[in-house]
Amino acid sequence: EAQVTQNPRYLITVTGKKLTVTCSQNMNHEYMSWYRQDPGLGLRQIYYSMNVEVTDKGDVPEGYKVSRKEKRNFPLILESPSPNQTSLYFCASSSIRDSQETQYFGPGTRLLVL
Amino acid sequence: GQNIDQPTEMTATEGAIVQINCTYQTSGFNGLFWYQQHAGEAPTFLSYNVLDGLEEKGRFSSFLSRSKGYSYLLLKELQMKDSASYLCAAYTGFQKLVFGTGTRLLVSP
Repeated sequence: EAQVTQNPRYLITVTGKKLTVTCSQNMNHEYMSWYRQDPGLGLRQIYYSMNVEVTDKGDVPEGYKVSRKEKRNFPLILESPSPNQTSLYFCASSSIRDSQETQYFGPGTRLLVL
Repeated sequence: GQNIDQPTEMTATEGAIVQINCTYQTSGFNGLFWYQQHAGEAPTFLSYNVLDGLEEKGRFSSFLSRSKGYSYLLLKELQMKDSASYLCAAYTGFQKLVFGTGTRLLVSP
């Protein structure tokens, strides 16, 4: 089954404790992206990657890091989480060879930073 | 700048028709996506309009007017399961999506 997976789905942590949220897709998509979703603000892009070893900042990159060592994986790293990073996070992927370029979303990771 | 506007919330009755509007102003525009998102779940793709006009897909239709910076999603024969948020997103190129804040649709019996 074609899908985007994220782990963990739920996470409670404390300020300053480094964490990683994993994202994996099995569709051989070149493009992957991380979004955060907050009430009243909609989905905002954090980082994106056009292919292996190619990453770039989105609209709200502060406090986050990413890496793209393999095509299927695109982890999101919070080196020193703060309470304002409490949010619902989505990973998405798409094929740049697909004329429609539809992005497919993972199930989401709900993060609470105390 | 980038600006996507859609109503915050709408209500409708089961079996009715509802139209969710979206206006956009973006630097660069290639097309307009609509996604459906149930509470706490992932957005799922509904439609993508590139050219002006109406595209119909079962109970859902989507319309685009590029000259007016306007789109709408039309839902017919509403069902309870259609209660969800509907996200309008402008595709500005190079895989970049700019999302509106979403319209929460409540369908009542």
